[in-house]
Amino acid sequence: GAVVSQHPSRVICKSGTSVKIECRSLDFQATTMFWYRQFPKQSLMLMATSNEGSKATYEQGVEKDKFLINHASLTLSTLTVTSAHPEDSSFYICSAFSGRKTYEQYFGPGTRLTVT
Amino acid sequence: TQLLEQSPQFLSIQEGENLTVYCNSSSVFSSLQWYRQEPGEGPVLLVTVVTGGEVKKLKRLTFQFGDARKDSSLHITAAQPGDTGLYLCAGAYRGGGATNKLIFGTGTLLAVQP
Repeated sequence: GAVVSQHPSRVICKSGTSVKIECRSLDFQATTMFWYRQFPKQSLMLMATSNEGSKATYEQGVEKDKFLINHASLTLSTLTVTSAHPEDSSFYICSAFSGRKTYEQYFGPGTRLTVT
Repeated sequence: TQLLEQSPQFLSIQEGENLTVYCNSSSVFSSLQWYRQEPGEGPVLLVTVVTGGEVKKLKRLTFQFGDARKDSSLHITAAQPGDTGLYLCAGAYRGGGATNKLIFGTGTLLAVQP
């Protein structure tokens, strides 16, 4: 149980365009999902916390107008990178809180975004 | 700002050797988790430790949570090539709301040579 999927797994887009990444909890309902980004050979950095039915909470230094997060249902959160630039190229990973234990999150397989 | 420092950053060893990875912070965490991540994939949870001084074993892996819940260690016995990957510790803390946020350590990249 506790499977989280992401789509797409890889995406290449041109500078100035927008890209949407989906995060789904497949076998449980997730009231909270988290979005992280990871640069090569570095650790994960929390970008934002996504709560179903309410506005996302962004970490310091993350532009909320650039990284739009929508958590419209208990099994789906989306991250839209708007007006993407090459420096937005990264590995984006989501995680979902299952509600079983306060400290456990289940991670998706990640999305590799390349902006040309 | 909470920080989790891992050491060493990189480790290349021969199959059969033992190793220890450390995760240190000046902050207290309600729990600490260890993950292993392979290239191009999401992190996979190995263990969660909650109680200060707690020791958990997972086959050849031994995890310990410090008494003060500020640090942790991961010890691997008789490492195998399949243990190769990026090891991440993550401390859980209250970030507002009912769910704990995770702050990830700096990571330890392990390569086990056959």
